[in-house]
This record gives sequence, C-alpha cells and structure tokens, in this order.
Amino acid sequence: QKEVEQNSGPLSVPEGAIASLNCTYSDRGSQSFFWYRQYSGKSPELIMSIYSNGDKEDGRFTAQLNKASQYVSLLIRDSQPSDSATYLCAASSGGSYIPTFGRGTSLIVHP
Amino acid sequence: ETGVTQSPTHLIKTRGQQVTLRCSSQSGHNTVSWYQQALGQGPQFIFQYYREEENGRGNFPPRFSGLQFPNYSSELNVNALELDDSALYLCASSQTGGLGDTQYFGPGTRLTVL
Repeated sequence: QKEVEQNSGPLSVPEGAIASLNCTYSDRGSQSFFWYRQYSGKSPELIMSIYSNGDKEDGRFTAQLNKASQYVSLLIRDSQPSDSATYLCAASSGGSYIPTFGRGTSLIVHP
Repeated sequence: ETGVTQSPTHLIKTRGQQVTLRCSSQSGHNTVSWYQQALGQGPQFIFQYYREEENGRGNFPPRFSGLQFPNYSSELNVNALELDDSALYLCASSQTGGLGDTQYFGPGTRLTVL
C-alpha cells in the first residue's frame, strides 16, 4: 500500500516567517512529487512539482526532495495570511503515475 | 483557473439514489482522474481514464463507475448511494497519464447524501 504521510497540524507561524511543511512517502519507486494548496471549501491548486533530489525554487516557495530518506518538504518564505490553507503532498511512481495524496497539513499564518 | 470544469457544484441526494457527476478536461488534456475527498482527508483516487479507456482504479466498490467521451470529458456515476458517499468529488485532468504528468483539478462537486 503506497502511503504519503503528513502531519495534519495546524502549523501556526507569524506573518513574515518561514513555514516548513514536511511529507514522507513509503514507495521507493516514487518518481514525481507535487505540492498542492487547498483553501477551505475549494479544490487543490498546484504549487510545485519536483522530480530530482535537491531544491527547486519558485518565488517564495522552495520544494526539497531527498529520495534516500523518502522525504519531501515545502518551504514558504515571508509567509502571508493569504498562505493560510491546507497543503497537500502527493507522490506518483512508475507504472501508473497516479499520485497518492497525503491528508494535508493545515497552515495558519497569523498577523 | 485550470480550465477544468465540473457540474453540478452542489448536489443533495438520499440514500439509495443514483448520481452522475460531470467533468470537462482542460484543452489539450486526454486523461481524467476522479477523486473523493472526505472532510479532513486527502483526495482518494477512484479511477482514471486515458483516451476513453480505464487506466487505473482505486479501492472503490463497483457501484462507482465512469466513462470518458471522445472529447475527453468524463462522467462519474455512483449507484445505491450511502451516507459515507457524502464528500467533495474532484476531477483532475492531465496531458499524458505518464511520467511527470501533472494533474489540474476542477472546482469539485459537493455531494451530500441524506
């Protein structure tokens, strides 16, 4: 059974701080990793995808992948109250390429 | 906006009824996946269609069925509705269904079963 684990939170950070969201996955064959943001009552929207070990930066967001440790993280710099949402981590592997989602981490950015 | 549309937005049904949800994929995408998201949970994979063929199925009973049309739009049908079927149903479209494929979600259909 492929599993993606996330701490459900909530993770509370002050405005302007760095928010660090973590995710582990069980399937060593996973090759593609995704972070989605989901506001309450809305559908998930893609923030970033990452496929290779290391860091990938996009604006205030940095995704980090460590395949040896089966660990993916998302850093949000200069957090804003508008970043308050649930962040979903997903992983897909060769064969089906269908992503398995974690249950999400709730992030609260307080002024 | 992802270009993926779903209808209806909300739906209320009673136990034992049948429901059909619809999804139009983003232009250029030939793969549609359906997910069920219960409150406080991540999306759970129901099934995927690639070029009108079922390309994978999650751990859902046969009363969950679907199809994809030649224009790559898709339907999800649920028979004999149960209270636990109450959830947000998400449709996601993607380009290839293969390695590196990225899924883009529609706004979802909120189904309530009474």
